[in-house]
Amino acid sequence: QVQLVESGGGVVQPGGSLRLSCAASGFTFSSYGMHWVRQAPGKGLEWVAFIRYDGSNKYYADSVKGRFTISRDNSKNTLYLQMNSLRAEDTAVYYCAKDTVVTPFDYWGQGTLVTVSS
Amino acid sequence: QSVLTQPPSVSGAPGQRVTISCTGSSSNIGAGYDVHWYQQLPGTAPKLLIYGNSNRPSGVPDRFSGSKSGTSASLAITGLQAEDEADYYCQSYDSSLSGLHWVFGGGTKLTVL
Repeated sequence: QVQLVESGGGVVQPGGSLRLSCAASGFTFSSYGMHWVRQAPGKGLEWVAFIRYDGSNKYYADSVKGRFTISRDNSKNTLYLQMNSLRAEDTAVYYCAKDTVVTPFDYWGQGTLVTVSS
Repeated sequence: QSVLTQPPSVSGAPGQRVTISCTGSSSNIGAGYDVHWYQQLPGTAPKLLIYGNSNRPSGVPDRFSGSKSGTSASLAITGLQAEDEADYYCQSYDSSLSGLHWVFGGGTKLTVL
């Protein structure tokens, strides 16, 4: 069965950096695009970034463009999100999600909490 | 605020029917992009509920149905059950000056009375 497990969350000071990971199993990781989606405490869902199956194209929300970088290692079945210049408003649970042509977020991980605070 | 507009909350008694609207514009739903719906139970990750406007993934009860018309979409839930109490999000795509983005509605909290 499809399994997505995020890790790397924690507490970081404003201006700091953090790298999130998402370990995938139960499907052919190298054949699917992948997303990061976040949810601030008590708020709704916000799409963050997308990477094509082969890493050839990446797309970002305007709120994170230039600060966050999505990447993947298909040999390790792992998705990453490098987050730099973090701000208080980046505080959220970050989910990775699998993409298909028909269903953009058909499976989700359990999420990892990132808290940006001094 | 969100690109797609949903009512903050809806409620209904067990057994009743409720609908949740999702209103967009000509750069997203009205441009012909599909609408998808997700259910988020308290304290859990979202789960795909409806895809491609009106299709249910395997395992989703037929009490849940979706539709789309013009710049709006709707999720209908019939025969309300206590376990349906959750947050519901619509999702589509938006083509703007900064490119193609995936967008969510602000979410609707369903309360089963």
